[in-house]
Amino acid sequence: DTGVSQDPRHKITKRGQNVTFRCDPISEHNRLYWYRQTLGQGPEFLTYFQNEAQLEKSRLLSDRFSAERPKGSFSTLEIQRTEQGDSAMYLCASSSDRFQYEQYFGPGTRLTVT
Amino acid sequence: GQSLEQPSEVTAVEGAIVQINCTYQTSGFYGLSWYQQHDGGAPTFLSYNALDGLEETGRFSSFLSRSDSYGYLLLQELQMKDSASYFCAVKTGSQGNLIFGKGTKLSVKP
Repeated sequence: DTGVSQDPRHKITKRGQNVTFRCDPISEHNRLYWYRQTLGQGPEFLTYFQNEAQLEKSRLLSDRFSAERPKGSFSTLEIQRTEQGDSAMYLCASSSDRFQYEQYFGPGTRLTVT
Repeated sequence: GQSLEQPSEVTAVEGAIVQINCTYQTSGFYGLSWYQQHDGGAPTFLSYNALDGLEETGRFSSFLSRSDSYGYLLLQELQMKDSASYFCAVKTGSQGNLIFGKGTKLSVKP
C-alpha cells in the first residue's frame, strides 16, 4: 500500500470560487478524517467518516464546507465561495476501526485563496 | 471548551534527553496520542496512552496520568533528525477524531 494520497497538492484560487479536494485512504482503513492546519497550529478536526457514513462534523465547520465518501473508499472535500480565511493545509487521515488513535496522514492539499 | 497546553519550543543537544509535556482539559478523554511532524511533512503517529503509566517504543517513551490530566513524551539519545514539531492529541470520544495541541517545535543542536 502506498499510504494516504491527496490531490491536488497545491491549489490557488480566487475568493468566491469553489474548490474540491480528493483523498484516497489506505485501502483497508474504514475510517477517514479531514483536518485543517494553519501555520504554527496543530491539525484542527473538520469531519469524519466510517465507511460511507459521515458520523461527525466539527461545529466550527461552516455550511460552505461539505464532504462525501460515496463508496466508502475515496473522499472529497468541497469548499464553496472560498474566503481568504480558508487558506490552510487540508489534511486527510485514515485509520482502522481497532486503532482509531493511530491515524495515517496524507501529504495535504495547500489552499491559497487570493 | 477543549484545550491542550504544551511548550511552544524546546532546544536540546544531540545525544541528550528531552521531555515534552502536555496538559489537557477536554470534555471527554479516551487517550493521549503523540505525533511528529517535520517541516513540510505530514504528521506521523508516535505513541498512544489510554491508561496511566509509561509506554516505551525504542528511543521514545510516553507517559500518562489521567488523574492529573497530564502526559509527556520523552525522547532519548537525541539525533538531528528528531528536529521536528511534536503534537499531543486527545481522543475525546468513542469516535476517532482527535483534538490536537498547538505543537512543540524541537530543535536539536550538534
